[in-house]
Amino acid sequence: SAVISQKPSRDICQRGTSLTIQCQVDSQVTMMFWYRQQPGQSLTLIATANQGSEATYESGFVIDKFPISRPNLTFSTLTVSNMSPEDSSIYLCSVAVSHTGELFFGEGSRLTVL
Amino acid sequence: QKEVEQDPGPLSVPEGAIVSLNCTYSNSAFQYFMWYRQYSRKGPELLMYTYSSGNKEDGRFTAQVDKSSKYISLFIRDSQPSDSATYLCAMTLLSGTYKYIFGTGTRLKVLA
Repeated sequence: SAVISQKPSRDICQRGTSLTIQCQVDSQVTMMFWYRQQPGQSLTLIATANQGSEATYESGFVIDKFPISRPNLTFSTLTVSNMSPEDSSIYLCSVAVSHTGELFFGEGSRLTVL
Repeated sequence: QKEVEQDPGPLSVPEGAIVSLNCTYSNSAFQYFMWYRQYSRKGPELLMYTYSSGNKEDGRFTAQVDKSSKYISLFIRDSQPSDSATYLCAMTLLSGTYKYIFGTGTRLKVLA
């Protein structure tokens, strides 16, 4: 398994500001993802964080709104830019074990935008 | 048609009951199946992982996969109040794209 640490665990933000979420994994992993979970809903993939190159975004998500960095195999950041109340969600970092496909999640970062 | 269907519940059971949670899926290419437990305000925790039809047991939990019917189940024996959580099923092709499809989750409440 993988131990994934995310911070902040929660934050209350003002409309129009940006927040960066950090994700640290205890081992080197190839596949790292960022998900969003809106209240009462399931998980939606935002992007795949690629080490040393631009992230791969899913339909409906763009780099200007959700810039992602992944400088090495154990660390990634997700920035939620120019936030609006619709961005209030739990943001989850996850990693996949490449040979089994098991997917592990961090504890999540709960953002509330006022 | 959604790729994965999961009854959202809520499901309330008395302590000690056997709980059955289910998901159906439409894409016969899915190969790997997972069940997650998510407590309120926490990230999903991987409970069970299976890749073949049949049963896999881990303590009080049994995961069952029926690929011919495109149906997966999670059974919880001797349910405890601490099992109260949302349970999500997930599946993947693991074909190099690492596309994971999640159910909407079933809220379970085990009453003491």
